[in-house]
Amino acid sequence: DTGVSQNPRHKITKRGQNVTFRCDPISEHNRLYWYRQTLGQGPEFLTYFQNEAQLEKSRLLSDRFSAERPKGSFSTLEIQRTEQGDSAMYLCASSPRTDPTRTQYFGPGTRLLVL
Amino acid sequence: GQSLEQPSEVTAVEGAIVQINCTYQTSGFYGLSWYQQHDGGAPTFLSYNALDGLEETGRFSSFLSRSDSYGYLLLQELQMKDSASYFCAVRGSGGSYIPTFGRGTSLIVHP
Repeated sequence: DTGVSQNPRHKITKRGQNVTFRCDPISEHNRLYWYRQTLGQGPEFLTYFQNEAQLEKSRLLSDRFSAERPKGSFSTLEIQRTEQGDSAMYLCASSPRTDPTRTQYFGPGTRLLVL
Repeated sequence: GQSLEQPSEVTAVEGAIVQINCTYQTSGFYGLSWYQQHDGGAPTFLSYNALDGLEETGRFSSFLSRSDSYGYLLLQELQMKDSASYFCAVRGSGGSYIPTFGRGTSLIVHP
């Protein structure tokens, strides 16, 4: 098992463009989370999937953000009409169904810079 | 909602012991976790406390007092590689028990 992977690792885009990030969780983990982290802050929760179902979304997740996990494996996070305020590290984490503590296993993140 | 308070920065010398405190407010409580994050890296899990008391894992220990809504991470025999940010995270009764993270404490270890 190689852990949680995320692609791309870095993304530079112009304001107004759409971007899509991918997350591949640890294979036996059915729970998947997206977070956003800015400099000097902790990870802020964006959305949560259990298998393919999106069970929770943060108020931070505006209508420009959408996430999918179509087959309960990998997930994508899309940001439409990007704004400079979207510049951040986007982290994906997963955890197994059998872990009641919800320990988060994080991927390396995708660093987004919106010009 | 949930909120956490932890110091923004702590400095110490190699070989010393340092304690990073975390106070939290939450509706319902299901556990307090600690994560380490090096610059440019991903957060990695260190420890979890659901019940009062001390949990020890090698050089790191974590303590919880539910009555005081307080916990701390204790790092012993500090090494230069311990320089990193440390986040406490609390699981409350909201939603799917997803952890809420504090803003993090930057630990700087000097030789």
